[in-house]
Amino acid sequence: DAKTTQPPSMDCAEGRAANLPCNHSTISGNEYVYWYRQIHSQGPQYIIHGLKNNETNEMASLIITEDRKSSTLILPHATLRDTAVYYCIVSPLMNSGGYQKVTFGIGTKLQVIP
Amino acid sequence: GAVVSQHPSWVICKSGTSVKIECRSLDFQATTMFWYRQFPKQSLMLMATSNEGSKATYEQGVEKDKFLINHASLTLSTLTVTSAHPEDSSFYICSARKTSSGGQFFGPGTRLTVL
Repeated sequence: DAKTTQPPSMDCAEGRAANLPCNHSTISGNEYVYWYRQIHSQGPQYIIHGLKNNETNEMASLIITEDRKSSTLILPHATLRDTAVYYCIVSPLMNSGGYQKVTFGIGTKLQVIP
Repeated sequence: GAVVSQHPSWVICKSGTSVKIECRSLDFQATTMFWYRQFPKQSLMLMATSNEGSKATYEQGVEKDKFLINHASLTLSTLTVTSAHPEDSSFYICSARKTSSGGQFFGPGTRLTVL
């Protein structure tokens, strides 16, 4: 079972910031928060991940609450091409040794509106 | 970069036939690859974990004799859907875990339609 809860859908106006929430109240101390997105009929695309500090890359920013029970993915200037299903996943660090399998929840379908 | 390809990107077959789907890591070695299935309007469901040189580990409810997985090299895993039926029609996606530095990278998916 997925350990995360996300709203099933959200709309965002083009050019505005898209803020996608995720609850992960049972996250373990060694688990990171990962975000992927899936554009229609394509494979998932990695966006960003973090442990407890806020992270930013060329695609998005990740804000993790101090208690680590929730996080928000921020797309600063949403475009039509950002329309996709966004998945929030908790997992041990994927580049550590050993076996980790990624479990996907239902995700949030983000619709960017012109 | 870390690119994963799948072949074919789509396939249509008759009921009762077998279909092979290839997953390749193009610019990195992957000791572990994963196979997912996604039905319309649903999330990805993990089917099995494929380890190079050993038998695959299947998730509960996935028939290992129907979904044959072979991971003969560090850059190639194959999924064969045997005796396909219309209910096997789905979007099949693989992911590969980079051996050297980790991270999971997903392929573009294969759309299977069984008539």
